[in-house]
Amino acid sequence: DAGVTQSPTHLIKTRGQQVTLRCSPKSGHDTVSWYQQALGQGPQFIFQYYEEEERQRGNFPDRFSGHQFPNYSSELNVNALLLGDSALYLCASSRGPGDSSYEQYFGPGTRLTVT
Amino acid sequence: AQTVTQSQPEMSVQEAETVTLSCTYDTSESDYYLFWYKQPPSRQMILVIRQEAYKQQNATENRFSVNFQKAAKSFSLKISDSQLGDAAMYFCAYRSLRGDMRFGAGTRLTVKP
Repeated sequence: DAGVTQSPTHLIKTRGQQVTLRCSPKSGHDTVSWYQQALGQGPQFIFQYYEEEERQRGNFPDRFSGHQFPNYSSELNVNALLLGDSALYLCASSRGPGDSSYEQYFGPGTRLTVT
Repeated sequence: AQTVTQSQPEMSVQEAETVTLSCTYDTSESDYYLFWYKQPPSRQMILVIRQEAYKQQNATENRFSVNFQKAAKSFSLKISDSQLGDAAMYFCAYRSLRGDMRFGAGTRLTVKP
């Protein structure tokens, strides 16, 4: 049973560019959440997707957008990259709001470096 | 908004000894979930233990246990019989029923042989 997978593992972009990160949830999971983890800090919640819609959003600008596909996989898009966007981006999956355990499984993350 | 505070940036424990990591949180909600996650240098976030706020009994998973004080909004993690493999960053997390999760800044645990 494959866990949460993310691609790519590492990415280097230039300030002002756009980037797309990808996540495949654990088998049986239909909800995907994205987090930004700056170096030496805890993860910060970006947003959560369920049934192909953004359900919850953290305190992130509109430059951060996402998408969820019918197979529950998800993409995180960041436009007009800033140096401060350099971080580890974590994807986590879980079963939908009806699941009482609310346990999230995390992927290995994508390390984004903006130069 | 909910906030999670971990006041110990670093902790150290001797192998086979016991260590307690502290966590406090702020919320106006009555029902929620609390978690401790471990993040080793490989950076994969691993769930250590989970506590439902409506349960008074403290959760236990093998060598890991929590002391959940709802009124005090405190959620500490106790690691017994510490092992070298326990060395990692530990994050306390709060999850609302809406699904959004807030993490603390983390505590780096070092285990000395």
